[in-house]
Amino acid sequence: DAKTTQPTSMDCAEGRAANLPCNHSTISGNEYVYWYRQIHSQGPQYIIHGLKNNETNEMASLIITEDRKSSTLILPHATLRDTAVYYCIVRGGRSEKLVFGKGTKLTVNP
Amino acid sequence: NAGVTQTPKFRILKIGQSMTLQCAQDMNHNYMYWYRQDPGMGLKLIYYSVGAGITDKGEVPNGYNVSRSTTEDFPLRLELAAPSQTSVYFCASSSTGGRFVYEQYFGPGTRLTVT
Repeated sequence: DAKTTQPTSMDCAEGRAANLPCNHSTISGNEYVYWYRQIHSQGPQYIIHGLKNNETNEMASLIITEDRKSSTLILPHATLRDTAVYYCIVRGGRSEKLVFGKGTKLTVNP
Repeated sequence: NAGVTQTPKFRILKIGQSMTLQCAQDMNHNYMYWYRQDPGMGLKLIYYSVGAGITDKGEVPNGYNVSRSTTEDFPLRLELAAPSQTSVYFCASSSTGGRFVYEQYFGPGTRLTVT
């Protein structure tokens, strides 16, 4: 599975959009981009995933560049409860495993 | 659905003791996983199972054993506990569609301290 690079930490004001970037320049054609988050000490929570098209669900939007070498997770109206570590993970659709890096610590400030 | 449940929530072990961390899921998922998370780090895969009777090693399997006799349960056994096994342990499960493996659902974790 391809490696990902994320900023160590980010801050966002409550009510504003949070845009979390992820670089995955070695991604291959059959690999998906997944996002999970981990709120303090809890188990990770699945947010969204995509292959090449942009995706949106009730939690977030995922924007993948045309060359698929990077992506951005967007939380449209961040709340204090969105403060968490966000993990960007690349894996093949048939791969059983997730490889977690250190993620991005997002702090939403009042 | 209760989702993925783990017991106990907390445990303190003495060096050399053994214990079993329990994990159960009620979503009829065929894939199950055990991870550990050390402070400030991401999760590391210990063992995983693609179905009852089938298990395989992950990234950090040494010092652990698993079994999968039913679809619902995936216990993790620690033999001869060592301080290096102090960590938070997460169990997860996922379903499959054809050969595609869907997202993982995680339990609340077990905090283990070995002293």
